[in-house]
Amino acid sequence: AQSVTQLGSHVSVSEGALVLLRCNYSSSVPPYLFWYVQYPNQGLQLLLKYTSAATLVKGINGFEAEFKKSETSFHLTKPSAHMSDAAEYFCAVNISPWSGGSNYKLTFGKGTLLTVNP
Amino acid sequence: DAGVTQSPTHLIKTRGQHVTLRCSPISGHKSVSWYQQVLGQGPQFIFQYYEKEERGRGNFPDRFSARQFPNYSSELNVNALLLGDSALYLCASSFGRENTEAFFGQGTRLTVV
Repeated sequence: AQSVTQLGSHVSVSEGALVLLRCNYSSSVPPYLFWYVQYPNQGLQLLLKYTSAATLVKGINGFEAEFKKSETSFHLTKPSAHMSDAAEYFCAVNISPWSGGSNYKLTFGKGTLLTVNP
Repeated sequence: DAGVTQSPTHLIKTRGQHVTLRCSPISGHKSVSWYQQVLGQGPQFIFQYYEKEERGRGNFPDRFSARQFPNYSSELNVNALLLGDSALYLCASSFGRENTEAFFGQGTRLTVV
């Protein structure tokens, strides 16, 4: 079974400040990990994904995340927040294709709402 | 190139009614997955279809069913609607069964009154 815990349902930062959104996962097999962003009344947009290549993953809009197996974490960061980053962010886990499993589905965390103050 | 399209965008139904939601995946994608997102929560997996066969089912009652057509589009059906079925229903498409990169549609907002 897999699960995702996102620490902090709401994170507030000032424009230009560092953004840090926390995600811890649990998986009995090697995982693939994802960060998605959701703007109000819209679907999910993929920000970045970890697929067992580089542990530091760069995504769109200046976001990046680092996979740390020892800490079972995949935290999302951005050096300088913009007003346009205000949205809800979801971390998700799937099993890797080479894990030998058969149930390929995304398991999401509960989300973190990011607000950016001027 | 068109992304994942879902219809309708909004829907209001009465308790006990039946609803059908539709999804067209990205051209060339053979996998369609359905998710339910209740307000304030992350999406929950309902079904995955790949090559027109059910490949995965989440923890949802039998009132929920789905199918995939030869052109890889999909329908999600919900019978005997309950107030608790009110949610945003998201469709995701991916090329392969492994969902290594899933693209989501805008969703269908279902309100049950």
